[in-house]
Amino acid sequence: DIQMTQSPSSVSASVGDRVTISCRASQGISTWLAWYQQKPGKAPKLLIYAASSLQSGVPARFSGSGSGTDFTLTISSLQPEDFATYYCQQTNSLITFGQGTRLEIK
Amino acid sequence: QLQLQESGPGQVKPSETLSLTCTVSGGSISSSSYYWGWIRQPPGKGLEWIGSISYRGGTFYNPSLKSRATISVDTSKKQFSLKVSSVTAADTALYYCAREASEGNFFDQWGQGTLVTVSS
Repeated sequence: DIQMTQSPSSVSASVGDRVTISCRASQGISTWLAWYQQKPGKAPKLLIYAASSLQSGVPARFSGSGSGTDFTLTISSLQPEDFATYYCQQTNSLITFGQGTRLEIK
Repeated sequence: QLQLQESGPGQVKPSETLSLTCTVSGGSISSSSYYWGWIRQPPGKGLEWIGSISYRGGTFYNPSLKSRATISVDTSKKQFSLKVSSVTAADTALYYCAREASEGNFFDQWGQGTLVTVSS
């Protein structure tokens, strides 16, 4: 099984900040990685697929990078609606999710 | 606009079988561009993929469920279904159905989720 480890588990930031969330795979997964945003009481929403491709309708302040085992989700300038939990997902070998990163208001 | 809606009992007794159905509306279920998946989320915890199915019936499962999960599809009704046998309290979760891109295997459309509690 491929394990996905996100860091940090939680982060506090302010509106306007640049935030980076990391995701590490236990083995190489090329660019078979997606990122999701989940708000309380809501289903996850796809942000990024293929490590760096922005899903249609997602604001350009979200970006993804990486390949192999190390990946990053960056939010360039936090907006109030961005405070949520973020998950990475590998699809190289079956499907596994990271444990999540909670982004909180400082 | 594609919509997915989960349905099924909100409570199941331990050792029994959990059964859920996802109904797809506003689009086709019979497309080779997509699979149809089930994901669950225990209260306050992260996401766990359960399995996925193509419209032709090909399936993929998470080995961690140890063969307790079965997914089926009925294209005539635009539905796909999940059964999880021998449930325990650990199967208590919010269960989501979702559309999965066959190229890339990411989930681009989700249902709202349905809470299933395992309790006697």
